[in-house]
Parts: sequence; structure tokens; C-alpha cells
Amino acid sequence: DQQVKQNSPSLSVQEGRISILNCDYTNSMFDYFLWYKKYPAEGPTFLISISSIKDKNEDGRFTVFLNKSAKHLSLHIVPSQPGDSAVYFCAASAPIKSYGNKLVFGAGTILRVKS
Amino acid sequence: GAGVSQTPSNKVTEKGKYVELRCDPISGHTALYWYRQSLGQGPEFLIYFQGTGAADDSGLPNDRFFAVRPEGSVSTLKIQRTERGDSAVYLCASSLGGAGEQFFGPGTRLTVL
Repeated sequence: DQQVKQNSPSLSVQEGRISILNCDYTNSMFDYFLWYKKYPAEGPTFLISISSIKDKNEDGRFTVFLNKSAKHLSLHIVPSQPGDSAVYFCAASAPIKSYGNKLVFGAGTILRVKS
Repeated sequence: GAGVSQTPSNKVTEKGKYVELRCDPISGHTALYWYRQSLGQGPEFLIYFQGTGAADDSGLPNDRFFAVRPEGSVSTLKIQRTERGDSAVYLCASSLGGAGEQFFGPGTRLTVL
């Protein structure tokens, strides 16, 4: 039962253009959503997040949009740069025992920015 | 400062053997998480420690998997009687509190032949 889905395994974009990565979720109990970026042989690194009470969060070139009614979020990167080439994971935060929160990840989207 | 470190970076073992994977969290982080990433998938939650105790182990796939964190810092994930299906990248993450941002280590790639 995949609760977080990234339906595009890969995306190729020209440098300077916009990259749009999409993510869908099924569990309406998720209260926080995050995007992680991963380079080969490294662990995922946090990129940007959004609370379920907001519909947009912006940080420099990165903007995340949340549509709760559609259970959909997207990450926009403008302008895209070759260094953005990586695997991007969408994750949802679910509270667990003792004030922890487990992250439920999508399968990832490989972004390639061509120069 | 130093990030989360994991050793070994790669581990190749034979079916049926026992393995231990180590995680050194960021100093001062009380919360520690283990995840497993199989090929073509995102990381999946295994277990969460708050201090020395395993607060939530609901993600461990079966009783061959066990993890400890005896002094509230370093954690060891232990897998008994390994199976080929255990082959994956095992990721460790730590955070200041249970709900804080999780910082991931580079992972240990386990291959069971």
C-alpha cells in the first residue's frame, strides 16, 4: 500500500527552465510534507517542507505547492541548474510513539538538468 | 560539525550469515531512525529510538531484525540469518527531538549473496 506516490521516474529539463516534480498521497492524516534531494552514494538531504495548513512555501529557487483537496504536492525549481541533477524524494511525516515522526517516502524522481 | 556516519559503507555477506550495521548520529541528537531503501524504491521506516529505548519498532519486517542503542548515541542494526531479500541500502537518520528535521547518513549497502 503505497501512501506516497511519485509517478514520474525521471524528468529531463534544459538549464534555466522550470522543473516541476509531482507527488500524490493517500493518507489525509499526514501533517507535514518534505522534499529531499539525493546524490549517488550520499544520504538524502532536506530541501524544503510545507505544513498541511499551508498551500505554498518558497525558499530561493525552490517552491512547494500543496493541494489538500487533491492530495497533491509539487516542487518547482526555477531556474533549474545542472547542479540540481539528483534524485528527488517526496516524503510525508506521520506522528509515531514518543513524539517521533516517521517519514513515508515516494519512490523518487530522477531529475536531469541539461546545460 | 560532523554529520551522521555509518559503517561499513558496503557489506557483502552470504545467505544465512549474521550482520551488524553501525550508525553514529550527530552529537546531541536524542532521536535516531533506521530506514531501508530497496532498489527503485524510497526509504522505508524500520525503527525509532528516543534516547536508549526503541520507542517504535513497527517497521521491522520480522524477528530476524533487531536494533540497539545502549548509551543513547551509537546504534547498531543487527540482522540474523540474512536472506537475499535483505539486500538494500540501510539508512540512519538523527534529529534533535523526535519531531525535528531528520539528518541522514550516507547509508550502508548490504548485499546478500
